[in-house]
Order: sequence, then C-alpha cells, then structure tokens
Amino acid sequence: GAVVSQHPSRVICKSGTSVKIECRSLDFQATTMFWYRQFPKKSLMLMATSNEGSKATYEQGVEKDKFLINHASLTLSTLTVTSAHPEDSSFYICSARGRYYGYTFGSGTRLTVV
Amino acid sequence: AQKVTQAQTEISVVEKEDVTLDCVYETRDTTYYLFWYKQPPSGELVFLIRRNSFDEQNEISGRYSWNFQKSTSSFNFTITASQVVDSAVYFCALSDQTGANNLFFGTGTRLTVIP
Repeated sequence: GAVVSQHPSRVICKSGTSVKIECRSLDFQATTMFWYRQFPKKSLMLMATSNEGSKATYEQGVEKDKFLINHASLTLSTLTVTSAHPEDSSFYICSARGRYYGYTFGSGTRLTVV
Repeated sequence: AQKVTQAQTEISVVEKEDVTLDCVYETRDTTYYLFWYKQPPSGELVFLIRRNSFDEQNEISGRYSWNFQKSTSSFNFTITASQVVDSAVYFCALSDQTGANNLFFGTGTRLTVIP
C-alpha cells in the first residue's frame, strides 16, 4: 500500500534557528501534498497545499515566509520552519495524495523550540 | 463550506462495552468522501475507512462498524466490545470528490477504554 515517510519524528531546536521537515512518498507519486499542524488536544489544521513544481497555497493566517514549503519532485515535499520560536512548537504532519491513492499521512514531527 | 462536527470531546467506557462516536458534516458538494482516522498517543494517523457519498451501505470490519445516513448528514462509528488498545483520538474527516482539496477534520473524540 501507499507509504509516506516523514522525518524527523522529533526535533528540538533553539529559538531563532530553522528546522526542515521532510515528507517522502515511498511507493507512489504524490501529485499533491498537504501540511497540517496540530496543537495539543486539538484537531489538524491545514497550513498549506502544494502541487509538484508549483508554489504552495497557504491557508489564511499562515505566514508563507515563516513556513517555507518546497515540492520539487513527485515524491518529496519539505516544510522549513524559519527562525523558529517557542510558539511554533507543535505537531506537524504531512499528507500525500497520488493519482490512485487516497490521503496517506506521514507519522508526524513533534517540534519543540526552546 | 465544508464542516465536520464531532460533538463528543471525550468518552470513557469500560472494556468490552460498545461505544459509538458521532460525526455530523456539512457540505454543498453533491459528491464527497467521508473518512475516519485513529490517532494513538504516538501521533500517527491510522486510516480506518473511506466512504463515497453515493454509497450509503453500512460497513462492518471486525469490531468496527460505520453507519452513514445521508438524510441526517451523519457518519457514525461504532466499536463493539471495546478493548484497551482502542484508546485513542478518533477523527472524522470530509473531502470533495476531486481530492484536490484537503481533508476537513472534525475536532476529534478522545476515547478511553478502562480495563
């Protein structure tokens, strides 16, 4: 079945540094990738949608300069949290959609900014 | 606009009891998909079911069953003879047929099964 690999699973970084999260579809081509953010005990909120080779579409209220999304290939999308601050601490999870598969989620990344 | 409501924030049941998780949705689309996902404490989302809006047949998979009622815009999920391993947060989600849009998630129901 469709598998999406997300790395790292956990990361702790210092305030002001940048963190890159990778989302890779292992056995299918992901024409669209979605990035979600989940605060503790809350639902998943869509941050942005990216299609291979084009700029990401960000949801209202999400800073595109802070959350850089790159979808350079059909199997890889990255989310970079730039100049991270403690309020960026959250659980980030990606979802990939291919031509024939439904939504396949990565295992998530727990980001802690100290 | 799409909207998914899971009115039950937290539910606790004793092991072996049956439990039903409610999901009510709103959409103007005539064709759409409904999903249920399980999120254990480790955080990953485990896919449970996808249902097309044209298919109103109820589905049973082991101890899990789903009741799709288009007339009431509900897609409820029942776990029979609950087990401790069922403890998790369960999310109901909605998307349109093209799939170009994202999934709209409900706020989730935290299920705790007490041994």
